[in-house]
Amino acid sequence: DTEVTQTPKHLVMGMTNKKSLKCEQHMGHRAMYWYKQKAKKPPELMFVYSYEKLSINESVPSRFSPECPNSSLLNLHLHALQPEDSALYLCASSQAARQTQYFGPGTRLLVL
Amino acid sequence: DAKTTQPTSMDCAEGRAANLPCNHSTISGNEYVYWYRQIHSQGPQYIIHGLKNNETNEMASLIITEDRKSSTLILPHATLRDTAVYYCIVRVATLGSNYQLIWGAGTKLIIKP
Repeated sequence: DTEVTQTPKHLVMGMTNKKSLKCEQHMGHRAMYWYKQKAKKPPELMFVYSYEKLSINESVPSRFSPECPNSSLLNLHLHALQPEDSALYLCASSQAARQTQYFGPGTRLLVL
Repeated sequence: DAKTTQPTSMDCAEGRAANLPCNHSTISGNEYVYWYRQIHSQGPQYIIHGLKNNETNEMASLIITEDRKSSTLILPHATLRDTAVYYCIVRVATLGSNYQLIWGAGTKLIIKP
């Protein structure tokens, strides 16, 4: 089973809203990732958690705040986003940082 | 910066083998080549990866040249459901025992009936 689930599938929010994206995996993976993907572009890495600790932050603006409450769950808290933040947000997980990453279906975010 | 270059698009007839090339001339000795595909608006799907030797699994084969400067992903009997964007990726080591996937721009593969 290589399933990573993400909720919600779609999200529309205003620039003053606060929302959260959720990602879950039950494969016992200890590394989890957030990516952002704009149309017709490859995914861009945002954050990496390894053993529930933030190990990589790719200079992401502070309006994006990741959280890893436990080894199965990864959240991305959103606040005061801009319209250019509209994108597909992908979560992935891997057994360890050097192992193959498995992606969820993504959350399509529209910021108005 | 991307470490891979791929053709922007390719066509292949249904039932034939699809051969997708990728150049990675600056790859280092311990960096793996990965392939993922992404069907429209879905999450990327892992296909295969390799270091030096050719690899085969139930989805595809990966042929890596001896100098490791290029590789080819082969889908042996393409079906309409194989229409997708195929990404050639190099996995690089970063600080603190971390690894990152450096994605190419992708090849849009269209399988035609």
